[in-house]
Amino acid sequence: DTGVSQNPRHKITKRGQNVTFRCDPISEHNRLYWYRQTLGQGPEFLTYFQNEAQLEKSRLLSDRFSAERPKGSFSTLEIQRTEQGDSAMYLCASSWGQADTQYFGPGTRLTVL
Amino acid sequence: DAKTTQPPSMDCAEGRAANLPCNHSTISGNEYVYWYRQIHSQGPQYIIHGLKNNETNEMASLIITEDRKSSTLILPHATLRDTAVYYCIVRFNTGKLIFGQGTTLQVKP
Repeated sequence: DTGVSQNPRHKITKRGQNVTFRCDPISEHNRLYWYRQTLGQGPEFLTYFQNEAQLEKSRLLSDRFSAERPKGSFSTLEIQRTEQGDSAMYLCASSWGQADTQYFGPGTRLTVL
Repeated sequence: DAKTTQPPSMDCAEGRAANLPCNHSTISGNEYVYWYRQIHSQGPQYIIHGLKNNETNEMASLIITEDRKSSTLILPHATLRDTAVYYCIVRFNTGKLIFGQGTTLQVKP
């Protein structure tokens, strides 16, 4: 399978715990995006990387959120001190360049109890 | 906010063409129109995109008006598996996608 993969697919955690999600983009795609989707809403942009550089962060990305792409390949999204409002689907997408089509992974569904 | 307007829901009979409209009256000259769909609990799936000309691929056709203020996604022979939320997106130069509420298409037998 050469598509975007995300792990885990589901995560249940208790409020206050830290969680980390991983995204593996399509091989050789240098752009990687993170989005968040709550129930009944369209996905919302969080941040994106060009290679290992994080070029834009949405104001939705509070101080508790951090994303990395250390070697310009896979990326991780960490949420510290989770809150119930963090419950959502976290989506990753990748593209070859700025003007290229983004392809999405299956998402990680987070439930904060 | 997204710069597109779509009807919240539509129905289509199985085997018939589904025509999904989208208004994007403030689109800039170098912005593309993208269509994605999302089947329940899955990631968005790319369908098609275009700038000025009409486009067709194995999934759908995209008709963009001459003034580029609106477009229509056409699924020529809808099946039950086409039931999904369809998003029309005007793409910013940075590449990030701004999703609206989309249109929920229900294909009925």
